[in-house]
Amino acid sequence: DQQVKQNSPSLSVQEGRISILNCDYTNSMFDYFLWYKKYPAEGPTFLISISSIKDKNEDGRFTVFLNKSAKHLSLHIVPSQPGDSAVYFCAASARSSNTDKLIFGTGTRLQVFP
Amino acid sequence: GAGVSQSPSNKVTEKGKDVELRCDPISGHTALYWYRQSLGQGLEFLIYFQGNSAPDKSGLPSDRFSAERTGGSVSTLTIQRTQQEDSAVYLCASSWDISYEQYFGPGTRLTVT
Repeated sequence: DQQVKQNSPSLSVQEGRISILNCDYTNSMFDYFLWYKKYPAEGPTFLISISSIKDKNEDGRFTVFLNKSAKHLSLHIVPSQPGDSAVYFCAASARSSNTDKLIFGTGTRLQVFP
Repeated sequence: GAGVSQSPSNKVTEKGKDVELRCDPISGHTALYWYRQSLGQGLEFLIYFQGNSAPDKSGLPSDRFSAERTGGSVSTLTIQRTQQEDSAVYLCASSWDISYEQYFGPGTRLTVT
């Protein structure tokens, strides 16, 4: 059973517009959520995180929203730039119990076109 | 400080040969993970090490795969009798503790011909 799901394998957005990447989770024990970005031929890099005590965390053009009741988080990128084209992975863990590793979603490929 | 490093960056091997992939984690990180990403696929968890605990091998796809972590630092992933379906990018990551953010290396691209 996949505990972290990214149901959209790909997303195409015009430069300057908002990109919204979605992620759903099933484990109610998860209390720490992260987004990673991966370019081809490179390892994933940590982008932004959010703790379950918050519902929003912002870092420049990147904002992560968490809806605990819906077990849903999203990453907003605004304005989108061609350099944002990459695969984005969401991940989750039960950090307060610190008993298990991050669980990753399957990724969403974002393409930002001019 | 230095990030996670992996070697080699690329490896081409013939079917049936054994290969060893190396990972040097960030100094002080107690947890180390191996993943692989096949073409067009997501991250597939293989194995992780946490301190002195027994490793979690639940993601290893077959008994041809094994890994060890010596001295709580460097790790080696070994694939015996490689098959074409083993072709993938093998990624290593480390973290300060098990449920914390992971920092990834650049990966080793393995091609089995």
